[in-house]
Amino acid sequence: SYGLTQPTSVSVSPGRTATITCSGDNLGQRYTFWYQQKEGQSPVQVIYEDNKRPSGIPERFSGSSSGNTATLTISGIQASDEADYYCQSWDIDTALFGGGTKLTVL
Amino acid sequence: QVQLQESGPGLVKPSETLSLTCSVSGGSTNIYYWSWIRQSPGKGLEWIGYVHNSGSTKYNPSVQSRVSLSMDTSKNQFSLKLISVTAADSGVYYCARGGMYWYSFEHWGRGKGVSVSS
Repeated sequence: SYGLTQPTSVSVSPGRTATITCSGDNLGQRYTFWYQQKEGQSPVQVIYEDNKRPSGIPERFSGSSSGNTATLTISGIQASDEADYYCQSWDIDTALFGGGTKLTVL
Repeated sequence: QVQLQESGPGLVKPSETLSLTCSVSGGSTNIYYWSWIRQSPGKGLEWIGYVHNSGSTKYNPSVQSRVSLSMDTSKNQFSLKLISVTAADSGVYYCARGGMYWYSFEHWGRGKGVSVSS
């Protein structure tokens, strides 16, 4: 069955750039979505259709996708960006989530 | 701005039925696809299924034999029923609204914690 793989954790210093990857067979041929989930809160969509930002999401958040990998990039990291990030796509009428990446701001 | 709110029992006995309702405000359930997504303690997200006001439903194969979703557009609500629950069904259950595609979850409820225990 289709699966999405993310690194378990990523650490980055304030002001630097964080890159979170999501891998899946031919992922670049289907849309990828990204969600941010802060402790004790529900997920919030930060990227849709690979590289589009919903209203209210800072320009610091960007996405790309090619081949087997989708990437979420967060520039100018702030303490408030510390959260779990999940990629999501779909396969044969089933929505699938990656296992999540814990972003730690050092 | 659309808002979603889950409601239902927080404790369900093993082998019994888990029933939750999602109430939608600030928007109509007559359009879009409406999903349930759960998150087990300390684990990731799992899509359960969607319902559309046309009556169309789609379920994750992992729960397909035990789940049913329904919608009451007159109340602007949709519901989840999961039968024969076990401890593995414990977690936080979210309702969510789709966007341009049913698999784009643009709006989420705050979540309802459910524990399966005797």
